Amino acid sequence: DVKVTQSSRYLVKRTGEKVFLECVQDMDHENMFWYRQDPGLGLRLIYFSYDVKMKEKGDIPEGYSVSREKKERFSLILESASTNQTSMYLCASSPGNGELFFGEGSRLTVL
Amino acid sequence: GENVEQHPSTLSVQEGDSAVIKCTYSDSASNYFPWYKQELGKRPQLIIDIRSNVGEKKDQRIAVTLNKTAKHFSLHITETQPEDSAVYFCAATLLSGGYNKLIFGAGTRLAVHP
Repeated sequence: DVKVTQSSRYLVKRTGEKVFLECVQDMDHENMFWYRQDPGLGLRLIYFSYDVKMKEKGDIPEGYSVSREKKERFSLILESASTNQTSMYLCASSPGNGELFFGEGSRLTVL
Repeated sequence: GENVEQHPSTLSVQEGDSAVIKCTYSDSASNYFPWYKQELGKRPQLIIDIRSNVGEKKDQRIAVTLNKTAKHFSLHITETQPEDSAVYFCAATLLSGGYNKLIFGAGTRLAVHP
């Protein structure tokens, strides 16, 4: 059973703080993704990675960066959190056949 | 890049009725079209998918149809049950060489009333 674990379910941060969201998968998947989920906007792709130390911008990368130092771990970084980054963040991994396996999500509130 | 539009945003049906959700995509190169279901407070999960070499696929009460010429695909749920209540997302991508980057629609909130 594929397991994608996100380190924090709920976070509250202040404007300007640096925020780290961690994601770990246990199925040796090459592909990992970070999406942002907002009501009425669906799931929007922030960044993705097809291999260790490799990253590609998605549709909304502004204000975010990522790190993939190990195959199983993909981190999303908000260098200076802003209130418009208040959202649900979903990590996913994929074996490359199209199917995504999602984590439970991290709900971030920026005050 | 790919853009996916999904309609309707909300759908309310009586138990036992059918529900249809429609999506259009912009990139004619896309060849893989999955549907995800997200129950309240849970993670999205794949329920059915279709590839561009197939026009229709069925799995018990759910089916997906694809019209490549018109660049649209639809999810059909028959004999709806209260447990079908959820948010449904369509997506599209070009599957190539083991890489996939899914672009999702905005979602449809389906409510099935007993």
